Amino acid sequence: QVQLQESGPGLVKPSQTLSLTCTVSGGSISSGGYYWSWIRQHPGKGLEWIGYIYYSGSTSYNPSLKSRVAISLDTSMNQFSLKLRSVTAADTAVYYCARDVRTTIGGYDSWGQGTLVTVSS
Amino acid sequence: EIVLTQSLATLSVSPGERATLSCRASQSVSSNLVWYQQKPGQAPRLLIYAASTRAPGIPARFSGSGSGTEFTLTISSLQSEDFGVYYCQHSFTFGPGTKVDI
Repeated sequence: QVQLQESGPGLVKPSQTLSLTCTVSGGSISSGGYYWSWIRQHPGKGLEWIGYIYYSGSTSYNPSLKSRVAISLDTSMNQFSLKLRSVTAADTAVYYCARDVRTTIGGYDSWGQGTLVTVSS
Repeated sequence: EIVLTQSLATLSVSPGERATLSCRASQSVSSNLVWYQQKPGQAPRLLIYAASTRAPGIPARFSGSGSGTEFTLTISSLQSEDFGVYYCQHSFTFGPGTKVDI
């Protein structure tokens, strides 16, 4: 059973870079067939896809965030990371990492518990 | 870009009753539709994929149906632990969610 766990600062100042890491256990991030994803949820709101990275390193991002987002892999640590630049209060949200099994189920079968990131001075 | 609409923001149901939730896609998504349940303070939980296939460990009272643009999630006999928000999803798009109040 694969498990995912987000980590990173819970408070980020406006205009700075939000950085989060997702540690994957119970499975290798280098396994093909899975897209390692970031999804966020604004307080009291719905789910917003941020982007994904494949084990090959290829990425795809939400067009609305593309200019500010970067997702990277660290296969030696079995982790993937999110960087979101130039944050504002509108980026305050719970950030989830998740495993996208789009080739078979077309959805996310494993999720981290989520981490709240607040953007405030 | 495909838009998913969940017409009911909130559904109030008593335990033991049947709950029917809908999800409509702005264009055909074939059977590529997924349902999640989210409880307060928790991550979403995969319930149904490919419109009608239950994920491992999901009770048989949850069922999904539909194809094309119209989809339904049915909870045959609502249990107290079934409260929460239910989201449909296709590709990178999520519906706005339906909150099920017990």
